[in-house]
Amino acid sequence: DAKTTQPPSMDCAEGRAANLPCNHSTISGNEYVYWYRQIHSQGPQYIIHGLKNNETNEMASLIITEDRKSSTLILPHATLRDTAVYYCIVRVAIGGATNKLIFGTGTLLAVQP
Amino acid sequence: NAGVTQTPKFRVLKTGQSMTLLCAQDMNHEYMYWYRQDPGMGLRLIHYSVGEGTTAKGEVPDGYNVSRLKKQNFLLGLESAAPSQTSVYFCASSHRDEVTRNTIYFGEGSWLTVV
Repeated sequence: DAKTTQPPSMDCAEGRAANLPCNHSTISGNEYVYWYRQIHSQGPQYIIHGLKNNETNEMASLIITEDRKSSTLILPHATLRDTAVYYCIVRVAIGGATNKLIFGTGTLLAVQP
Repeated sequence: NAGVTQTPKFRVLKTGQSMTLLCAQDMNHEYMYWYRQDPGMGLRLIHYSVGEGTTAKGEVPDGYNVSRLKKQNFLLGLESAAPSQTSVYFCASSHRDEVTRNTIYFGEGSWLTVV
């Protein structure tokens, strides 16, 4: 699975959009980009994933560049409860051993009141 | 719907003792996983299972054993605990395939301290 690079920390004002970047320059054509977050002392929570098109769900939007070498997770209206470590992961989304997620150290997003 | 449930949530062991962590999921998932997370680090995969009666090694399997006798349960065993196994352990589960369903659901974690 390709490696990812994320800034160690970011701040965001409550109510504003939080834009979390991720670089994955060695991503392969069949690797998906996944985002998870981990609120302090809890298990990681799935947010969103995509292959090459932009994706949106009730939690966030995922913007993937045309060359797929980077992506941005957007939380449109950040709240204090969005303070967490956000992990960007790339992997092949098929069954078997490749289901495993390889976590990096992620980005600590601190939402400020 | 309880999702993924881990027991116990907290445990203190003496070096050399044995124990078993239990993971139960009620989502009829085929795949189950055990991860460990050390301070300031991401999760590392210990063992995983793609179905009842099958298990496989992950990134850091040494010192651990697992069993999946029932589809809904995945047990993680420490035969002789060592201080290096002090960590937070997360169990997870997922469906077998389909991109739209292929997300992994995690339990709340089990805090293990080996003294």
